[in-house]
Amino acid sequence: DTGVSQDPRHKITKRGQNVTFRCDPISEHNRLYWYRQTLGQGPEFLTYFQNEAQLEKSRLLSDRFSAERPKGSFSTLEIQRTEQGDSAMYLCASSLSQGPREQYFGPGTRLTVT
Amino acid sequence: ELKVEQNPLFLSMQEGKNYTIYCNYSTTSDRLYWYRQDPGKSLESLFVLLSNGAVKQEGRLMASLDTKARLSTLHITAAVHDLSATYFCAVSDMRFGAGTRLTVKP
Repeated sequence: DTGVSQDPRHKITKRGQNVTFRCDPISEHNRLYWYRQTLGQGPEFLTYFQNEAQLEKSRLLSDRFSAERPKGSFSTLEIQRTEQGDSAMYLCASSLSQGPREQYFGPGTRLTVT
Repeated sequence: ELKVEQNPLFLSMQEGKNYTIYCNYSTTSDRLYWYRQDPGKSLESLFVLLSNGAVKQEGRLMASLDTKARLSTLHITAAVHDLSATYFCAVSDMRFGAGTRLTVKP
């Protein structure tokens, strides 16, 4: 399977703990995006990378969230000191930076903060 | 700040009927995307519209873009149950509407 993969698929954590998610994009894609989606809502943009450079970060993203893409391949999203409001589906997508920039989404990581 | 509005948010229709979903956005954009999401699943790309007047069709779905009106439509022809899903439009790659939850009933 050469699609976008995410790990883990589900994560249950206690409030105050740190969590880290991983995304592996389609190998030839140089753009990688992170979104958060809550029930009944559209994906909310968090941040995106082109190669290893983080080009945009949502103003809504608190300092507890950080993302990296150190070698321009896989990416990690870390949430520090989790809060119950962080419970959501975290989606990763990848695309080429040229042409239609059509995004291909991974299956998501569902985070539950208790 | 770019705003993307879809309507309706909920749509229940009978099989065989036609309907249109609308996507309005607030600032100039050179591209618009439509995605489908089934319950508990991730998003699947349906259409990419890259210019004013662009029209794309796939099966019973047809999408169009009017950049001057900042409006895209997703038209459903002769709906079937398999089209039941949530449909999202997205502008400037990363700004999504709230989605239209479509239910097609026999």
